[in-house]
Amino acid sequence: GAVVSQHPSRVICKSGTSVKIECRSLDFQATTMFWYRQFPKQSLMLMATSNEGSKATYEQGVEKDKFLINHASLTLSTLTVTSAHPEDSSFYICSASATGINYGYTFGSGTRLTVV
Amino acid sequence: AQSVTQPDIHITVSEGASLELRCNYSYGATPYLFWYVQSPGQGLQLLLKYFSGDTLVQGIKGFEAEFKRSQSSFNLRKPSVHWSDAAEYFCAVGSTGGGNKLTFGTGTQLKVEL
Repeated sequence: GAVVSQHPSRVICKSGTSVKIECRSLDFQATTMFWYRQFPKQSLMLMATSNEGSKATYEQGVEKDKFLINHASLTLSTLTVTSAHPEDSSFYICSASATGINYGYTFGSGTRLTVV
Repeated sequence: AQSVTQPDIHITVSEGASLELRCNYSYGATPYLFWYVQSPGQGLQLLLKYFSGDTLVQGIKGFEAEFKRSQSSFNLRKPSVHWSDAAEYFCAVGSTGGGNKLTFGTGTQLKVEL
């Protein structure tokens, strides 16, 4: 079945630094990838949608200059949290979908980001 | 705009008992509906999905869900719960446009008593 690999699973960084999270579709080509943020004991909040080769579409209230999304190939999307601050600490999850898969989404295992 | 409501934040059941998790949606057309399960610190695993056709959908791990258009509901059921089913469960509705975004409910935390 469709598998999405997300790395790293956990990362701790200092305030002011940048962190990159990778999301890879291992056995299918992901035409669209989604990035979510999840606060403790809460639901998933969609941050942005990215299509291969084009600029990401950000949801209202999400700072596109802070959360840089790149979807340069059909198997890789990256989320870079720039100039991270403690309030950016959260659980980030990616999801990928592809044509030919009957409207399905496969989720990565998530990244726990802690900014100290 | 589409939305999903999961009325129960927490549910506790005894192992072996039956389970029903409620989900109500708001969507202007025929919805694409999903149930996902999340274990602590993990991503989401798809349990089942409904696109069209038979309104009773079978999923993995013995779960099933029934789409009821008249009630705008897509409740998840399992006849006999196992201790390993303890997790967070999310109902989601998909849009046919706008990049096929999923909108999630707030989730239901399931606790299983032995």
